Amino acid sequence: GENVEQHPSTLSVQEGDSAVIKCTYSDSASNYFPWYKQELGKRPQLIIDIRSNVGEKKDQRIAVTLNKTAKHFSLHITETQPEDSAVYFCAASGSNFGNEKLTFGTGTRLTIIP
Amino acid sequence: GAGVSQSPSNKVTEKGKDVELRCDPISGHTALYWYRQSLGQGLEFLIYFQGNSAPDKSGLPSDRFSAERTGGSVSTLTIQRTQQEDSAVYLCASSFALSYEQYFGPGTRLTVT
Repeated sequence: GENVEQHPSTLSVQEGDSAVIKCTYSDSASNYFPWYKQELGKRPQLIIDIRSNVGEKKDQRIAVTLNKTAKHFSLHITETQPEDSAVYFCAASGSNFGNEKLTFGTGTRLTIIP
Repeated sequence: GAGVSQSPSNKVTEKGKDVELRCDPISGHTALYWYRQSLGQGLEFLIYFQGNSAPDKSGLPSDRFSAERTGGSVSTLTIQRTQQEDSAVYLCASSFALSYEQYFGPGTRLTVT
């Protein structure tokens, strides 16, 4: 089955700097890669996702890049703000039609230092 | 509109007792998923429903765990003879048919004493 590894497990950056979180996956059939943000005691929230037919996707200060050959994808947050502090999870899924389980990484605790 | 809801939000039970956790998906979402999140860990898949059937039960950790879904809506996850290692946050997610995006509920924090 799919295995997703996520690094680093913790990350501290100064407010205004950029943060990068990286994930690798094992199953070359995976084709959907979402990122979730989870604040303390809250539900995971989908913040951005990418499918295998594109290499990069941006949404304001957040971007995700995908390298299918190397089987890795990354989350980039620019101009970080205190409200970006949370745990971030990457995930992978392999269905061609959606509606398949997500395999998650173990999470990155991001702390933004004011 | 209303998001995914789960009840109870917290459940404390004694080892050996049975518990039922409930999930109410977003209206119109035909796919429903259960995941488990242990303290400080990632999310672990348990079971997936499409309508009332469960084409993927591969994540259920033992035969003490079961789930059902009725009317293509509400789902119940049942854990029989609970053990301390069952303590975790149980999260439910739902999505539209043929859609990738999964939306999560707030979870049920289960503590087995």
